Amino acid sequence: GENVEQHPSTLSVQEGDSAVIKCTYSDSASNYFPWYKQELGKRPQLIIDIRSNVGEKKDQRIAVTLNKTAKHFSLHITETQPEDSAVYFCAAPPSYNFNKFYFGSGTKLNVKP
Amino acid sequence: NAGVTQTPKFQVLKTGQSMTLQCAQDMNHNSMYWYRQDPGMGLRLIYYSASEGTTDKGEVPNGYNVSRLNKREFSLRLESAAPSQTSVYFCASSEASALTDTQYFGPGTRLTVL
Repeated sequence: GENVEQHPSTLSVQEGDSAVIKCTYSDSASNYFPWYKQELGKRPQLIIDIRSNVGEKKDQRIAVTLNKTAKHFSLHITETQPEDSAVYFCAAPPSYNFNKFYFGSGTKLNVKP
Repeated sequence: NAGVTQTPKFQVLKTGQSMTLQCAQDMNHNSMYWYRQDPGMGLRLIYYSASEGTTDKGEVPNGYNVSRLNKREFSLRLESAAPSQTSVYFCASSEASALTDTQYFGPGTRLTVL
């Protein structure tokens, strides 16, 4: 199956700083890469995704970049705020079966006021 | 529009007991999923159903069975619960089409097996 590795497992930043979370995947034919945010005690929710026909996608303070050659993609959060504190998960469904969603192990982001 | 709903929210079982977790979605999605979430382990796929009448194994199917009752409902059954199945269980659904692949999650069921 798809192997998705996510780093770091925890990340602590000062409010206003930037945060970057990286994921690597094994299936070179994978073409869809979403990021989910899970606040404490809540359900995961999609925050941004990217398809392999683009290298970068932005939505206000968050962006995702994709390097297909190196098989990694990253979540970038600029001007972090305390409400960004949460666990973030990446995923990379394998090309042979889109329904087999394999998530990374998660990154706990703590934004210190 | 309730989205994805799950019952129960909390459950405590003794080892060897059985139970069924219920999930329903009102978004007319074709695909539905069951995940378990353990501390530090992220979300792991147990079973999924790509369409009504079909089910397939995910990463960690052992000890579980599923039923796609109709397009709306997808249940997860533990026949003989074990302490290793203590976890938070999330159901999700997705249109899983070329236009939109977002997974919508339910609120979760916190299960403790003693």
